[in-house]
Amino acid sequence: NAGVTQTPKFQVLKTGQSMTLQCAQDMNHEYMSWYRQDPGMGLRLIHYSVGAGITDQGEVPNGYNVSRSTTEDFPLRLLSAAPSQTSVYFCASSYSKAGGVTQYFGPGTRLTVL
Amino acid sequence: GQQLNQSPQSMFIQEGEDVSMNCTSSSIFNTWLWYKQEPGEGPVLLIALYKAGELTSNGRLTAQFGITRKDSFLNISASIPSDVGIYFCAGRSGSARQLTFGSGTQLTVLP
Repeated sequence: NAGVTQTPKFQVLKTGQSMTLQCAQDMNHEYMSWYRQDPGMGLRLIHYSVGAGITDQGEVPNGYNVSRSTTEDFPLRLLSAAPSQTSVYFCASSYSKAGGVTQYFGPGTRLTVL
Repeated sequence: GQQLNQSPQSMFIQEGEDVSMNCTSSSIFNTWLWYKQEPGEGPVLLIALYKAGELTSNGRLTAQFGITRKDSFLNISASIPSDVGIYFCAGRSGSARQLTFGSGTQLTVLP
């Protein structure tokens, strides 16, 4: 299993450009989520999905869109990039076990918006 | 909302020493997860706990799910230089849909 994979690893955008961060998992997990990690702010949830066709907003959803057409893929779209979106983005997938949850993270995408 | 307090924020220890860190919650949790993150990498799951009192080991790492269900501890025995990184906890209560994350413990191991 490759686990959770993310592409690209690095990206530089200009203000106003759009792009899609890709995320895929091969563990057949129903639950997937996107986080951003900023110095001093920890991990903040952007959007999440509890299964194909179902998505919901997290703590900081503005400026981002997601869709979940398959169990494996959960892309994150930046509609019009802003410098405030400079961050490290992590995708995660998880499953329920013993009444709890187990979550795995991808390697991250480091995004700079100029 | 739920709050997670993780301590200490940072630790400087000598190689070979044991390390202990903990997280406390304002809510009762049904899951405690411990991660390690190295620079430029994603968080890696170290240990997952699902029951009060549960004690689980992963090599030199041992974590426990507190009896009160509001805390968890991670111990690292006989630290080595490759233990350097940020360790953080995450937990979830039965009513929550999402994990709550601790702010992390920065571990430095001195030779």
